[in-house]
Amino acid sequence: DVKVTQSSRYLVKRTGEKVFLECVQDMDHENMFWYRQDPGLGLRLIYFSYDVKMKEKGDIPEGYSVSREKKERFSLILESASTNQTSMYLCASRTGPNYGYTFGSGTRLTVV
Amino acid sequence: AQKVTQAQTEISVVEKEDVTLDCVYETRDTTYYLFWYKQPPSGELVFLIRRNSFDEQNEISGRYSWNFQKSTSSFNFTITASQVVDSAVYFCAPDSGGGADGLTFGKGTHLIIQP
Repeated sequence: DVKVTQSSRYLVKRTGEKVFLECVQDMDHENMFWYRQDPGLGLRLIYFSYDVKMKEKGDIPEGYSVSREKKERFSLILESASTNQTSMYLCASRTGPNYGYTFGSGTRLTVV
Repeated sequence: AQKVTQAQTEISVVEKEDVTLDCVYETRDTTYYLFWYKQPPSGELVFLIRRNSFDEQNEISGRYSWNFQKSTSSFNFTITASQVVDSAVYFCAPDSGGGADGLTFGKGTHLIIQP
């Protein structure tokens, strides 16, 4: 089975800190995605990547950046964490367009 | 861009009742895919079904069934004889732009099955 692993299940960071959320998949998937999930808002796409070193903005990229130096790893970076970035962050990967995602278990980030 | 509406924010039924979760989507694509995901209390989203727009046959998988109506842009999900383990948040998600931009998720329907 495809596994998508997010390095931390819970994370607490201070306002202004630079935060790295890591995601690794083990099935050579081309596409990787970062979403955030907030109550009443569903899942919103932050960034995605079609291949190594490629990245595309999603619907809410402000305050975030990403890095994909290796195919299996897709990192989400909060340049200067703010309290409104407190959320559940979900990473997903898939083999290609029109295929379903495999999700990681999520990272619940709290910014204080 | 795709848009998806799950009008039911929360549904509560008693175990063994049948329940239908509604999904209405908007797309400019003539060919597209639709997905349903389940998010149990543990939090990890689980894939349930993938359906392409060419195939309008209803699909049944055990107690789960899906009704795809291209004419009304709906892709509804029915659970027959619901069980407590079906309690979860369910998301409908069309694939956008020929798959170029990833899935667009609805806000989800929180399904509560009471014993």
